[in-house]
Amino acid sequence: DSGVTQTPKHLITATGQRVTLRCSPRSGDLSVYWYQQSLDQGLQFLIQYYNGEERAKGNILERFSAQQFPDLHSELNLSSLELGDSALYFCASNGGQMDTEAFFGQGTRLTVV
Amino acid sequence: AQSVTQLGSHVSVSEGALVLLRCNYSSSVPPYLFWYVQYPNQGLQLLLKYTSAATLVKGINGFEAEFKKSETSFHLTKPSAHMSDAAEYFCAVSRNYGQNFVFGPGTRLSVLP
Repeated sequence: DSGVTQTPKHLITATGQRVTLRCSPRSGDLSVYWYQQSLDQGLQFLIQYYNGEERAKGNILERFSAQQFPDLHSELNLSSLELGDSALYFCASNGGQMDTEAFFGQGTRLTVV
Repeated sequence: AQSVTQLGSHVSVSEGALVLLRCNYSSSVPPYLFWYVQYPNQGLQLLLKYTSAATLVKGINGFEAEFKKSETSFHLTKPSAHMSDAAEYFCAVSRNYGQNFVFGPGTRLSVLP
């Protein structure tokens, strides 16, 4: 158990809908990363937050947004969903300043139908 | 920009045989390098990491990797494969503490009886 909790584990929704994925980092971790894993794109970095502030942005679509709250949990919002958004979404966390590796949650599998 | 290549999307070895999974990186600065393993329907688990200390790094489950700056490589090895090693393996690079991670495309390892 990495200590990173993601909910829900599975999500099935229709095209055009909006969903929210939630991530609780390891206790004390300030940095949260979101990744999308799909068969054709592999593991793609979406966005990173550190202590509530956006630190880095990767290949995140404009239809997607994220935030990190004062209690350090993070949410990834996906809107106007398309079939191609079906993927496994991972959250990872670390201390942000002195940690080198990241600790991954179990992921949320999103299926858009 | 950093990038990671993994030679061979699928590697098959016999139980008891040597495991060699290849990883090459490109980075403008000395990086931090990682190997993660992903079992079916699970998140990523850290196998080992290189953070500019010893170039030969030992990890969990008998795996090790050697950082070779001249070859920009960080290949993963295990002397004797076990059935339980069957999984997807990802090489990743990070530029510094608190920086996001860039992952390679992954190599699926199959272990044959």
